Amino acid sequence: DVKVTQSSRYLVKRTGEKVFLECVQDMDHENMFWYRQDPGLGLRLIYFSYDVKMKEKGDIPEGYSVSREKKERFSLILESASTNQTSMYLCASSSYPGTEAFFGQGTRLTVV
Amino acid sequence: GENVEQHPSTLSVQEGDSAVIKCTYSDSASNYFPWYKQELGKGPQLIIDIRSNVGEKKDQRIAVTLNKTAKHFSLHITETQPEDSAVYFCAPGGSGGYNKLIFGAGTRLAVHP
Repeated sequence: DVKVTQSSRYLVKRTGEKVFLECVQDMDHENMFWYRQDPGLGLRLIYFSYDVKMKEKGDIPEGYSVSREKKERFSLILESASTNQTSMYLCASSSYPGTEAFFGQGTRLTVV
Repeated sequence: GENVEQHPSTLSVQEGDSAVIKCTYSDSASNYFPWYKQELGKGPQLIIDIRSNVGEKKDQRIAVTLNKTAKHFSLHITETQPEDSAVYFCAPGGSGGYNKLIFGAGTRLAVHP
């Protein structure tokens, strides 16, 4: 059974903290993606990666960075968490463009 | 980049009725047209997809139709059931060496018994 695993389902952090969201896939996929999901706004792409150590900005990269040191792992970093980053974060992976994307269960992050 | 619009944003139907959701895209080079379903508390999952050399694809109660000239594709659900209640997303793409995998804003479908 193919799997994308996100390290936490729920996370509560304080304003100004550095936050790491981890995502691991076991399908040897080239592409990995980070989205945030807010009511009425759908899935908004933060960053994506098409190879190890390669990354590209999505539509809302401000306040975020990413790391992909190994093919199976893609980390989303909030350098200094703010309350407007309270959201559901979803990680996805796919083998190449034009193929099915597989999602993790999501991490609900609350910044207080 | 790809501009994706999805309509309607909410849809309420009676059990047994049909539901249709439309997705309009801007990149004429797109050649892959999937629909994803997101149930409460879960990540989206692919339910059906179509490629640009095919006009229609059916899988039991769900179907996808593609109009490449007009740059839109639609999800059709027949004989709706309460378990079809979910949020549905389109994500046209596949056109480049890598793509951003942009999703539509989603359609919340409610099927009432």
